Amino acid sequence: AQSVTQLDSQVPVFEEAPVELRCNYSSSVSVYLFWYVQYPNQGLQLLLKYLSGSTLVKGINGFEAEFNKSQTSFHLRKPSVHISDTAEYFCAVSEVIGGTSYGKLTFGQGTILTVHP
Amino acid sequence: DADVTQTPRNRITKTGKRIMLECSQTKGHDRMYWYRQDPGLGLQLIYYSFDVKDINKGEISDGYSVSRQAQAKFSLSLESAIPNQTALYFCATRQGGNTEAFFGQGTRLTVV
Repeated sequence: AQSVTQLDSQVPVFEEAPVELRCNYSSSVSVYLFWYVQYPNQGLQLLLKYLSGSTLVKGINGFEAEFNKSQTSFHLRKPSVHISDTAEYFCAVSEVIGGTSYGKLTFGQGTILTVHP
Repeated sequence: DADVTQTPRNRITKTGKRIMLECSQTKGHDRMYWYRQDPGLGLQLIYYSFDVKDINKGEISDGYSVSRQAQAKFSLSLESAIPNQTALYFCATRQGGNTEAFFGQGTRLTVV
């Protein structure tokens, strides 16, 4: 069975500072990996995804993530955050079996990023 | 109009009542999901469906049931609501397993 652990429940940071939100996963098979963002009182929207190929993935709003298979990690980074990045961020994994994903999408516990002026 | 619509957006109900949360989508996706969100627990999968005839339990299906009335509609029912089912519920859709999921705006359910 797949599982996802987000190592930090809350990350406070000052505006224009860099940030890293950590995500580790567990799976016995290959996976697809996703980061989603949830702004207050809204649903989730996709930031970026890793399916295959280059391990460095770029997403929207200046975010990027690096897939590390040996460490089973998919950490999210941004070199300079803005006040508007304040939100909750979720890492998610979908297992790949027989070359295709059977569709179950498992989320981590979430990390609340708070950007201070 | 939103691609994934959940109704109602907010609901307060009493313990023991039956309640249905509805989800409809205009994206033409085959896969639909119901999650509940609790602070500090992330999103937990309740049920998921790959098509009208394929419905699967998630990690926390006890106390819930679902109905996939059509490809575009996926309803979640609480047969006898209890207070610990108070949560934010999300519906999501997806086309294929390697694509992103699209979420509704959520239904905030309070059971008193």
